[in-house]
Amino acid sequence: GDSVTQMEGPVTLSEEAFLTINCTYTATGYPSLFWYVQYPGEGLQLLLKATKADDKGSNKGFEATYRKETTSFHLEKGSVQVSDSAVYFCALSDWGSASKIIFGSGTRLSIRP
Amino acid sequence: DTGVSQDPRHKITKRGQNVTFRCDPISEHNRLYWYRQTLGQGPEFLTYFQNEAQLEKSRLLSDRFSAERPKGSFSTLEIQRTEQGDSAMYLCASSPGTGNQPQHFGDGTRLSIL
Repeated sequence: GDSVTQMEGPVTLSEEAFLTINCTYTATGYPSLFWYVQYPGEGLQLLLKATKADDKGSNKGFEATYRKETTSFHLEKGSVQVSDSAVYFCALSDWGSASKIIFGSGTRLSIRP
Repeated sequence: DTGVSQDPRHKITKRGQNVTFRCDPISEHNRLYWYRQTLGQGPEFLTYFQNEAQLEKSRLLSDRFSAERPKGSFSTLEIQRTEQGDSAMYLCASSPGTGNQPQHFGDGTRLSIL
């Protein structure tokens, strides 16, 4: 079945460092891809999404590009802030966002001042 | 838009007891989803509703679990004869169910089984 594999954490970086969190997926069809974020004490929030190959999702300085040839959707940010400390989940759904979402196991990110 | 609301936020109960959680989706969202998240893992799909119809159930949803959405608005998830392994965060999400609209998640109900 469909699945998502993401970089294990925790990841600890200094403020203003470059961030990459790797994510690869397995799907039989043409899924939509997502990054969700869970800040401490808060619920899951959609960070960004991409619905077809070569689409780039972006939000709050974060970017991820849907790469069909490598089945990847890596999350990047050029300069992280302390406020980016959270757990990040890569996810997919089979047909748009109306279907169930399959999540990766999450990557905890901690940013040192 | 008041967001997805879940109640209670925390539930502590003894093994063998029944528990019921409630989810109020964003108004006019006709799809409602339940997920379960255990510590250190991503959420896992349990079931979803299109209006009042339950359209899919995961194999994770054992016979002890039942979900309803009687009038196509709020939903309840009941767990009967709780077990230690049921301890988790239970998340509810809703979406308009049309187009390419994202699912919006509630803050979850954390269940602890003593």
